[in-house]
Amino acid sequence: DTAVSQTPKYLVTQMGNDKSIKCEQNLGHDTMYWYKQDSKKFLKIMFSYNNKELIINETVPNRFSPKSPDKAHLNLHINSLELGDSAVYFCASSHMGDGKKETQYFGPGTRLLVL
Amino acid sequence: SQQGEEDPQALSIQEGENATMNCSYKTSINNLQWYRQNSGRGLVHLILIRSNEREKHSGRLRVTLDTSKKSSSLLITASRAADTASYFCATGLIQGAQKLVFGQGTRLTINP
Repeated sequence: DTAVSQTPKYLVTQMGNDKSIKCEQNLGHDTMYWYKQDSKKFLKIMFSYNNKELIINETVPNRFSPKSPDKAHLNLHINSLELGDSAVYFCASSHMGDGKKETQYFGPGTRLLVL
Repeated sequence: SQQGEEDPQALSIQEGENATMNCSYKTSINNLQWYRQNSGRGLVHLILIRSNEREKHSGRLRVTLDTSKKSSSLLITASRAADTASYFCATGLIQGAQKLVFGQGTRLTINP
């Protein structure tokens, strides 16, 4: 009964490969997010989807493409992986509907290592 | 550029003592939130304070917000070993979705 889950937890891959990270939330939230945490623990938002619509799109290389098949899922596809993509990627969700509840619930993270 | 800056970057205290962490930010906000991250884990929401609030309590946590100084503080009273973690402040701005901008965190170590 995990609230926000991510797969895989660990991902080790070669430079130039394409990989996907999946995120699912069972909280009934309407908004989902992707964050990147670098080696210095700096956490930065990448994307946000509300009801499957892209709302926030920070300055992220277009090698990163989020996809939201439904409100409960937000996947992140990364093309042509580079060494600098190595980080921990966190998915989060919140409910922005009536009442604008601002708390975000985070997944456990996906640790990506590009060799 | 990064919104929040936290001070100190690392804090080590004895169990039972109080821990205070500070956060400063630069632009307008709707709210400010504090999160905890245990080593190798995801972030856990601790407390949220809205821009029209000055102080908020939750259990052993006390958060203050001074919008004129663009700063916030998190106080953990009667610290426990289990409080050892990294603590992040995040400013929230609602732009369609809630955009959270995180500080670099304070690494808190509680010594038994």
